[in-house]
Amino acid sequence: KNQVEQSPQSLIILEGKNCTLQCNYTVSPFSNLRWYKQDTGRGPVSLTIMTFSENTKSNGRYTATLDADTKQSSLHITASQLSDSASYICVVSAAGGSYIPTFGRGTSLIVHP
Amino acid sequence: KAGVTQTPRYLIKTRGQQVTLSCSPISGHRSVSWYQQTPGQGLQFLFEYFSETQRNKGNFPGRFSGRQFSNSRSEMNVSTLELGDSALYLCASSLDRVGYEQYFGPGTRLTVT
Repeated sequence: KNQVEQSPQSLIILEGKNCTLQCNYTVSPFSNLRWYKQDTGRGPVSLTIMTFSENTKSNGRYTATLDADTKQSSLHITASQLSDSASYICVVSAAGGSYIPTFGRGTSLIVHP
Repeated sequence: KAGVTQTPRYLIKTRGQQVTLSCSPISGHRSVSWYQQTPGQGLQFLFEYFSETQRNKGNFPGRFSGRQFSNSRSEMNVSTLELGDSALYLCASSLDRVGYEQYFGPGTRLTVT
């Protein structure tokens, strides 16, 4: 069964600090992995998308890494801002079939001033 | 380019009633997917429509149905509403496949009383 596990479930950090969120998956065969940011009451917004051959991708202060061998990904946020407070969702899609994505439960990040 | 729009944004219904939600994808996008998001289950895939045909379906009862029109706009219908159907319903569009870059709408918050 395809699964995506995210950790930690929640995280509280001070403004200006860095943090790293983790995503482990068992989706196979792998097609792509995406990170989304979802503000409360809004739809998710795409941060990065990575295919099998990519092991790092950046979007401003967000940097995602992918280790396809260990089936792990991380999202690193640099110099956090209050606006980074949101839920971060890892999504993995399988290849060669329906491409239906499997979603993680998300990590809730709170940035305090 | 306008983003994904969903109507209505908020809805309150009574158990046993039915509801229809609407989604307009980004211009040029032919794939429209629907998701249910609840605090307990996270984001769950309902179904995907492509060129007016249901291409993929998640693990939801037959009370959940949808359709897509020739202009790619999509509607989702839930019949015989249950309290557990209270959720944020998200629509996402992509160029041609659910497993690739998706753009989410703001969602419709459905409350069943």
